[in-house]
Amino acid sequence: DIVMTQSPSSLAVSAGDKVTMSCKSSQSLLSSEYQGNYLSWFQQKPGQSPKLLISLASTRETGVPDRFIGSGSGTDFTLTISSVQAEDLAVYYCEQYYSYPTFGAGTKLELK
Amino acid sequence: QVQLKESGPGLVQPSQTLSLTCTVSGFSLTSNSVHWVRQPPGKGLEWVGAIWSGGSTDYNSALKSRLSISRDTSKSQVFLKMNSLQTEDTAIYFCRGWELGYFDYWGQGVMVTVSS
Repeated sequence: DIVMTQSPSSLAVSAGDKVTMSCKSSQSLLSSEYQGNYLSWFQQKPGQSPKLLISLASTRETGVPDRFIGSGSGTDFTLTISSVQAEDLAVYYCEQYYSYPTFGAGTKLELK
Repeated sequence: QVQLKESGPGLVQPSQTLSLTCTVSGFSLTSNSVHWVRQPPGKGLEWVGAIWSGGSTDYNSALKSRLSISRDTSKSQVFLKMNSLQTEDTAIYFCRGWELGYFDYWGQGVMVTVSS
């Protein structure tokens, strides 16, 4: 199984901060067939199902604010929130789908 | 619009079998795969298994011996059966419609507690 490692496990932020969180995979997620990295980012708030923010490492889903930016390739990936808003407080998960899906343990965004 | 809704018993006794149903609308099971993902209380997400648009299945290797996923395309339903349940199977179980790069929808989830 591909192991996904997220860091940090939690982040204390203030509104307006720029936030960066990391996701590393135990093997490359770059597909030569589809010319993309098979990695998604999700946001999950308490009592809700995960919400897809970004797929293929950097493609923002329709309706997702442009302050959410996905980057990276191969085994190292980053989710950046350019200016955190109060509604962004949540747990963020990365997921690989290069092989049977596996998720990282999550990064919890908390209020400072 | 695309919707997925999980249903099943909230409480299952240890060693018994869990049966869950995912009823979908807004898409066809013969066009998109459906996955099951679970989340123990306060913990992260774990992929359980999937049934693909062609009807084949794949399972988490750690659960494979206890797990079966099937479907009834005429009723737009996907079924999960897991036997020999233990307390560590207590979780929210989500169903998820998925296709690479363009289709990713989740149900609201159903809480399953394994307890006597």
